[in-house]
Amino acid sequence: DSGVTQTPKHLITATGQRVTLRCSPRSGDLSVYWYQQSLDQGLQFLIQYYNGEERAKGNILERFSAQQFPDLHSELNLSSLELGDSALYFCASSVGDGRTTDTQYFGPGTRLTVL
Amino acid sequence: GDSVTQMEGPVTLSEEAFLTINCTYTATGYPSLFWYVQYPGEGLQLLLKATKADDKGSNKGFEATYRKETTSFHLEKGSVQVSDSAVYFCALADDKIIFGKGTRLHILP
Repeated sequence: DSGVTQTPKHLITATGQRVTLRCSPRSGDLSVYWYQQSLDQGLQFLIQYYNGEERAKGNILERFSAQQFPDLHSELNLSSLELGDSALYFCASSVGDGRTTDTQYFGPGTRLTVL
Repeated sequence: GDSVTQMEGPVTLSEEAFLTINCTYTATGYPSLFWYVQYPGEGLQLLLKATKADDKGSNKGFEATYRKETTSFHLEKGSVQVSDSAVYFCALADDKIIFGKGTRLHILP
């Protein structure tokens, strides 16, 4: 158990809908990262927050947004969903701001299925 | 930009065989290097890491040495077990972390 929790575990929805994925980092970790894992694209970094502020941005679509709250939990919002958004979404956390030696601890993931 | 290239899988071995999964990287700075493992149905977890040239990371019988001259960080294990079946990701972290595409490993009893 990494100490990172994600809810829900599974999510099934329809195209055009909007969903929110939630992540609670390990106690004491200030950074939260979001990743998308699909069979064809592999593991794609989406976005990182550090202590409430956006720290780094990866391949995140404009239809997706995220935020980190004062209690350090984070939410990833996915809107206008398309079939291709079906994937596993992982959250990870780390103590620092993500620089070179930071180890990331991954949650169990949320499996999103868009029908 | 920075990148990580690892050997494509799947890799299938018999139990007790020697394992090597190749990983090479390109980076403009001096990154830290990692191997993460993903067991079926789970998230990634750190297997080992090395933060500077010639460092050797090791854990659970796995080893990898940070080779700056060949820009490599190959993962090795002397005798694999069925329980090592998983997907292995090589990664580098400089300003941000970059993962390789992953290598699926199957160990046959």
